[in-house]
Amino acid sequence: GAVVSQHPSRVICKSGTSVKIECRSLDFQATTMFWYRQFPKQSLMLMATSNEGSKATYEQGVEKDKFLINHASLTLSTLTVTSAHPEDSSFYICSARAGKVYNEQFFGPGTRLTVL
Amino acid sequence: AQSVAQPEDQVNVAEGNPLTVKCTYSVSGNPYLFWYVQYPNRGLQFLLKYITGDNLVKGSYGFEAEFNKSQTSFHLKKPSALVSDSALYFCAVRDSMNTGFQKLVFGTGTRLLVSP
Repeated sequence: GAVVSQHPSRVICKSGTSVKIECRSLDFQATTMFWYRQFPKQSLMLMATSNEGSKATYEQGVEKDKFLINHASLTLSTLTVTSAHPEDSSFYICSARAGKVYNEQFFGPGTRLTVL
Repeated sequence: AQSVAQPEDQVNVAEGNPLTVKCTYSVSGNPYLFWYVQYPNRGLQFLLKYITGDNLVKGSYGFEAEFNKSQTSFHLKKPSALVSDSALYFCAVRDSMNTGFQKLVFGTGTRLLVSP
């Protein structure tokens, strides 16, 4: 299947700093990318959806100024957690889909963010 | 709005026995249904999908799922479980009637534990 990479896999930062997470589709062009957040032992919560070259569409309750998403190309999307706080600590997972809406989404391995 | 229910938090099965992980869904239009598996601290791996056609769908690692429109179910099955199948399984649905980016909605997940 298609491969989606995420970098970094783990990051620890101090409160108030910003953290950038990269998501890349390695062997296909991702027309749509998704960012999820997963709390321990819980399901995935969709944060935002983005098409290449367009502004991201955020889910209700997700602060767009705090979670900046850039989908600059068909193979790269970034999530920047600005002014991170301990409550932002979580497992962040990106996903990418090519073409038709009934195509499966491929998921990255996730990024564990810990804010001290 | 579309929704997915996975009624079992955990399923326990002995190695070599058949396994079933249950999933029911609710959509306005036709469902696009997916199963994903997640290993600890990893992203989700695609197992199989139902879009249209044959109700019995075969996927990766010997898994299969049966689409039942009258019962709005899409249960995941495997004839003979392996210890290595122990993981967290997510059912997901996308509603063909939705506009926009066609959001994928996940169930809460079912932990499968296969004992030796």
